[in-house]
Amino acid sequence: DAEITQSPRHKITETGRQVTLACHQTWNHNNMFWYRQDLGHGLRLIHYSYGVQDTNKGEVSDGYSVSRSNTEDLPLTLESAASSQTSVYFCASSPGHQSFYEQYFGPGTRLTVT
Amino acid sequence: AQSVTQLGSHVSVSEGALVLLRCNYSSSVPPYLFWYVQYPNQGLQLLLKYTSAATLVKGINGFEAEFKKSETSFHLTKPSAHMSDAAEYFCAVSRLSGGYQKVTFGTGTKLQVIP
Repeated sequence: DAEITQSPRHKITETGRQVTLACHQTWNHNNMFWYRQDLGHGLRLIHYSYGVQDTNKGEVSDGYSVSRSNTEDLPLTLESAASSQTSVYFCASSPGHQSFYEQYFGPGTRLTVT
Repeated sequence: AQSVTQLGSHVSVSEGALVLLRCNYSSSVPPYLFWYVQYPNQGLQLLLKYTSAATLVKGINGFEAEFKKSETSFHLTKPSAHMSDAAEYFCAVSRLSGGYQKVTFGTGTKLQVIP
């Protein structure tokens, strides 16, 4: 069965370190997204990609970067981790550019920055 | 521009009682609307979606939602709550912008089911 996986599921890191969160999907979807989930804010879009070599900034992109070298993977990098980036991170994918497509979510990565 | 408002960050119902979770949207074009459910320590999964085929949409686990254009609402209901319905629910709106899909999520409603 096709799926979307995230690793690690839990991560503790120190302020200032570079951290990369992995996202891998076997749906062969063009669109991939990274969100962070915080109490009171729901889901906020960090970065997204509509295909290989395409990346775009979302509403809370400062301090984060992504790259899309293939269809399956969209790793999220925190260049220099800050305590404000302690959150739960979700990766999602969708098939294409039509509005009626739902998103398929990974299980999430809980990141703690100390 | 588009936005989603979910009224009530927490809703409590008794087991067997009606579940009503409210969602109002704002969109400059006809929207596609979704309800997602998130169980503890899991990702979001689709409950149901409105794609203009029918205003009353039935989803999984006995949930349904009605699209009311005049009220710009897409409230989620279930006639009888079950303990397993305890979760967080997110409403989302999707539209095309510049040829690409743009999705906006609400802030979520946490449903507590009291035995």
